[in-house]
Amino acid sequence: AQSVTQLDSHVSVSEGTPVLLRCNYSSSYSPSLFWYVQHPNKGLQLLLKYTSAATLVKGINGFEAEFKKSETSFHLTKPSAHMSDAAEYFCAGGGATNKLIFGTGTLLAVQP
Amino acid sequence: EAGVTQSPTHLIKTRGQQATLRCSPISGHTSVYWYQQALGLGLQFLLWYDEGEERNRGNFPPRFSGRQFPNYSSELNVNALELEDSALYLCASSFRQFYNSPLHFGNGTRLTVT
Repeated sequence: AQSVTQLDSHVSVSEGTPVLLRCNYSSSYSPSLFWYVQHPNKGLQLLLKYTSAATLVKGINGFEAEFKKSETSFHLTKPSAHMSDAAEYFCAGGGATNKLIFGTGTLLAVQP
Repeated sequence: EAGVTQSPTHLIKTRGQQATLRCSPISGHTSVYWYQQALGLGLQFLLWYDEGEERNRGNFPPRFSGRQFPNYSSELNVNALELEDSALYLCASSFRQFYNSPLHFGNGTRLTVT
């Protein structure tokens, strides 16, 4: 069975410091992996996706993620947080079941 | 390019009633997905439609149903509403399956059951 686990429900960083949001996946197949962001009362916006072309994936707004098969991880990073990055972030993955499974989300707070 | 649009934005129903939620995908997208986002439960996969057919279904009772029309828009129906159906319902569309074309989400319909 496939699953996506976000290891932190809340992360708080100071503006200008790095961001790390952790995601592990479990899949019997080579997965497709995604990171989405959700601002309050909005739908989800795609940040980036991994579909086996390159292990380091660059997304919008300065975010990037690295696929590490040996660690079954797909952590999201950003070198320097902005206040506007405060939102909820969802890792998602899917394989052969044609269902995109979401993690439970990580709420990112950015302190001034 | 217009994004995924959902209507209504908010919907208030009483227990036992039926709710109908609507979704228009991005032009050219043939797949429509429905997700339920309930407080504290994350996003739960409900239904996937492609080319007018239901392709996959999540672990929800049969009172959650839907359809996809020839123009690829979609409807989600929830019968015999229960209090725990209160949630944000998100619709997403893609060109074919999600691993070839990422999902694009609408802003959701907030369903409140009293």
